[in-house]
Amino acid sequence: DADVTQTPRNRITKTGKRIMLECSQTKGHDRMYWYRQDPGLGLRLIYYSFDVKDINKGEISDGYSVSRQAQAKFSLSLESAIPNQTALYFCATSDWGGAETQYFGPGTRLLVL
Amino acid sequence: GENVEQHPSTLSVQEGDSAVIKCTYSDSASNYFPWYKQELGKRPQLIIDIRSNVGEKKDQRIAVTLNKTAKHFSLHITETQPEDSAVYFCAGINTGTASKLTFGTGTRLQVTL
Repeated sequence: DADVTQTPRNRITKTGKRIMLECSQTKGHDRMYWYRQDPGLGLRLIYYSFDVKDINKGEISDGYSVSRQAQAKFSLSLESAIPNQTALYFCATSDWGGAETQYFGPGTRLLVL
Repeated sequence: GENVEQHPSTLSVQEGDSAVIKCTYSDSASNYFPWYKQELGKRPQLIIDIRSNVGEKKDQRIAVTLNKTAKHFSLHITETQPEDSAVYFCAGINTGTASKLTFGTGTRLQVTL
């Protein structure tokens, strides 16, 4: 879905480095999410935000932080990257309401050496 | 919180055969169950969903069934085709009180010729 974009699409970094993954959406949705995907573990929620002033931890928030700069932008930061944060990261959005249909970005593949 | 378990983790079927993926959930108040398909290298996308007020929903070759008493729901794909090969994720949520989807760990479906 071209309405949800992520940058960068691929990133290689070293242990201890700070990196930021960015997500932008043009769908006009209030809700935004960050997931990580690991083989055999499915999609695990890192953080989510229901509006610019709302930030919530997901099930695996340790080692991560987020910033909701605007309705359309939600960034994920790794303050000091470690190898077990190597994963595929997805941003997603959903509209307000009961359907909870989520629209995913294309993903960012992160490798921490 | 909600816990969603998904089986099997991998499934191989011959083209034209049917495939069934099963999920169980823990929160009896959950009322919305979507299924997402993730093709290789692509983002997850919603393919079908079901609400707790119905027992079955069909869309061409795919169908989802829900058994609220047993707290399980299943994805059925008939007349499988090579393009059905993907990872499938189930998810659940109580849209009245919960704020985020809980995903299963995924099933890798391989349709062989």
